[in-house]
This record gives sequence, C-alpha cells and structure tokens, in this order.
Amino acid sequence: EAQVTQNPRYLITVTGKKLTVTCSQNMNHEYMSWYRQDPGLGLRQIYYSMNVEVTDKGDVPEGYKVSRKEKRNFPLILESPSPNQTSLYFCASSYSTPGTGGSYNSPLHFGNGTRLTVT
Amino acid sequence: SQQGEEDPQALSIQEGENATMNCSYKTSINNLQWYRQNSGRGLVHLILIRSNEREKHSGRLRVTLDTSKKSSSLLITASRAADTASYFCATAPTSGTYKYIFGTGTRLKVLA
Repeated sequence: EAQVTQNPRYLITVTGKKLTVTCSQNMNHEYMSWYRQDPGLGLRQIYYSMNVEVTDKGDVPEGYKVSRKEKRNFPLILESPSPNQTSLYFCASSYSTPGTGGSYNSPLHFGNGTRLTVT
Repeated sequence: SQQGEEDPQALSIQEGENATMNCSYKTSINNLQWYRQNSGRGLVHLILIRSNEREKHSGRLRVTLDTSKKSSSLLITASRAADTASYFCATAPTSGTYKYIFGTGTRLKVLA
C-alpha cells in the first residue's frame, strides 16, 4: 500500500532533549516536506527536499533540522526543543516538486501526523 | 505567509444539503488543490485543478477556478455526516518557490 509513515504518533518531551521524528515513503517520490499545524495558523512549511541531499528551508525553519540521505526517508530533528515547538507535525511527499513541471504537479501524500508536546 | 484564504472559516449544514467553500489566493499559480482533514489526522487529497481549467468534477465534488479573480470554490453536493472535516485549498505558485501554500481551512460540520 502506498503510504507515508510517520513515527511516533504522539510524543511528550522536556525542553532541551533532542528528538527525531521519522518519515518514510514507499512511492519513490522525489519531493518531501515537513509542516506544522497550529490552531488558526493553518499548515506552515518547515523544510522541504527536492531529492536526495537537496534540502531547503520553508517558512518556519528555526529550531529544526532535516536530512535526506535516502530517497525514502526524511527525518525531522529538533536539537533542543522548546515549548513553542509544541504542535501537530505532518510529513508529506509528492512525485514532483511544486513550482516545476508547469501545471502538471502531483498531489501531496500526507502521513498521519505526530502530536508533539514540549514541557 | 499563507496566501490561501478559505471562506467561511466554519460551516454547519444538514445532511443532504450542499456545502460550498471558497478559496482566494494572491499569486499566479500552476494548479490548485483541495484537501480534506479529519480531526487531527493527515490531509487527504481530493481534487486538483490546473490553471488552464475552469471546472472539474469528482463524484459529489465540483471545483471551479477563476484565475482572473484568483479564487476557487469547492462544492460538495448531497452532503453526508461523513463529510464532516476541515477542508483546505493549496496552491502551487508558478515560480519562485518550491512549495504548496495552504490556507487556514474551512471546518465543515454536517448534521445527521
């Protein structure tokens, strides 16, 4: 089954304790992205990757790191989490990179989310 | 910044009625997509309409796109309780960014 798998589903941690949220897709997609969703603010992009070893900042990258060593995996790393990073996080992937290929972009496939609480 | 703005923010209707949601955006786009999100879950893609298309149908969904007004609408006909969810539009700008821009969503509640 084609899917984007995020883990963990729920995570409670303390300020400053490094954590990683994993994301894996089995569709051979080039493009992967991380979003955070907060009430009233919609989805905001944290980082994205257009291919292996190609990553770039989104709208709210501060406090986050990513890596893309393999095409299927795109982990999100919080080196020193803070309470303002408490949020619902989503990983997503698509076959093509938005903004390229004219109007023939493919849709995003989302994971089920990770609800992170930082105390 | 979010360029997609959905309207209304919340909508409550009776089962069997039609639901219409609107989305406005600011820049030129390649395409516009609509997604549904059940409470706290991942977004699910519903329909994609390209910039050279004006209307598209998929089952009970009808999407229109007016690039001159930079707006789109999503119509759900004969709504069901299972349609209760949040609906988001997402735009793929033509240039300058490699990302979709999501609106803040419309929360739809369908009463049985």
